[in-house]
Amino acid sequence: NAGVMQNPRHLVRRRGQEARLRCSPMKGHSHVYWYRQLPEEGLKFMVYLQKENIIDESGMPKERFSAEFPKEGPSILRIQQVVRGDSAAYFCASSPPAQSETQYFGPGTRLLVL
Amino acid sequence: GDSVTQMEGPVTLSEEAFLTINCTYTATGYPSLFWYVQYPGEGLQLLLKATKADDKGSNKGFEATYRKETTSFHLEKGSVQVSDSAVYFCALSKIGNEKLTFGTGTRLTIIP
Repeated sequence: NAGVMQNPRHLVRRRGQEARLRCSPMKGHSHVYWYRQLPEEGLKFMVYLQKENIIDESGMPKERFSAEFPKEGPSILRIQQVVRGDSAAYFCASSPPAQSETQYFGPGTRLLVL
Repeated sequence: GDSVTQMEGPVTLSEEAFLTINCTYTATGYPSLFWYVQYPGEGLQLLLKATKADDKGSNKGFEATYRKETTSFHLEKGSVQVSDSAVYFCALSKIGNEKLTFGTGTRLTIIP
């Protein structure tokens, strides 16, 4: 059973470009979470999604950031018009429906904005 | 709001030393408590968890006890190895609000 997969592992963007980060949850998991880790800091919750629904987006910046988890395919975290302050590691986690308190993390995408 | 406070790092120990990493929390209700470990360049792995007061989580020689009276969940290991070098994160979550709230992490380095 493959773990949570994220791609790309590393992403370099120039200021003003768009960044798309993908997350494929573990098989059988229908809950996806996105977290951001700034350099030398802990992880901060961004958004919690179930298939085709955003359940909690209280940690998402109000502008430029969006997330989706379609019926088919991976979850996508999209950052429009990136700025240097968006440089961070973005981690996706997934959990099965009945055990949502235990989350399994992917390896992360490290975004660098030049 | 809910928060987790961890012992400041970095922590450097010799192999076979005793390890304690302190973690305290502030939360309403009865949170579940977790320790996650992050090895260089990797994602977080669940190390252990406890879901109610006085529960002890354990894994790979690590232990932590959920102490409601002191709102603590300190991580301990009796004899550390070089392979334990990593960043350790304490976290909490609550039923009905599944997002994890993390501490800032403690970087542990074990020297032979």
